[in-house]
Amino acid sequence: AQSVTQLGSHVSVSEGALVLLRCNYSSSVPPYLFWYVQYPNQGLQLLLKYTSAATLVKGINGFEAEFKKSETSFHLTKPSAHMSDAAEYFCAVSESGYNKLIFGAGTRLAVHP
Amino acid sequence: EAQVTQNPRYLITVTGKKLTVTCSQNMNHEYMSWYRQDPGLGLRQIYYSMNVEVTDKGDVPEGYKVSRKEKRNFPLILESPSPNQTSLYFCASSFLSATDTQYFGPGTRLTVL
Repeated sequence: AQSVTQLGSHVSVSEGALVLLRCNYSSSVPPYLFWYVQYPNQGLQLLLKYTSAATLVKGINGFEAEFKKSETSFHLTKPSAHMSDAAEYFCAVSESGYNKLIFGAGTRLAVHP
Repeated sequence: EAQVTQNPRYLITVTGKKLTVTCSQNMNHEYMSWYRQDPGLGLRQIYYSMNVEVTDKGDVPEGYKVSRKEKRNFPLILESPSPNQTSLYFCASSFLSATDTQYFGPGTRLTVL
């Protein structure tokens, strides 16, 4: 069965510091992996998506994620945090032929001056 | 503008009083789904629909019903709401399946007293 684990429900960084949000997944076949962001009082929007074309995926707002099959990980990074990055981030997994999308519990990112 | 709309955005009701939350998309998407978001649990899929008249259970379907009579609409029905259904609900749509980018509505905050 598919599952997603996000390590750290809250992450706090200084403005300009590296952002690292961790995601590990479980999947029996090559997965489709996603990072979504939720700004306060809004719905979710896609940050980036892995579909097996390339292991390093670049998304919007300077975020990127690397698919590591050996570690079953898909961690999200951004070299330099901005105040506007403060939000909740969700990792999600699905599989071809599997019609469900499984989300992790989310990581709330705080950025302080 | 391409969008997913939900109504109402906020709803307070009492135990046992039937309610419907509407969801509509204008992107001609085949796949639609409902999620509930609870603190510490992330988003959990309630029901999904691959096409008109095709619906299936997600991970937490108990106490909910859906219908898909038209491609654009996917209402969520709570026939006898209970306090444990107090949550934030999101509708989402995508081109064909769970492996495609999901487009989320703004959310409906439901409180059942």
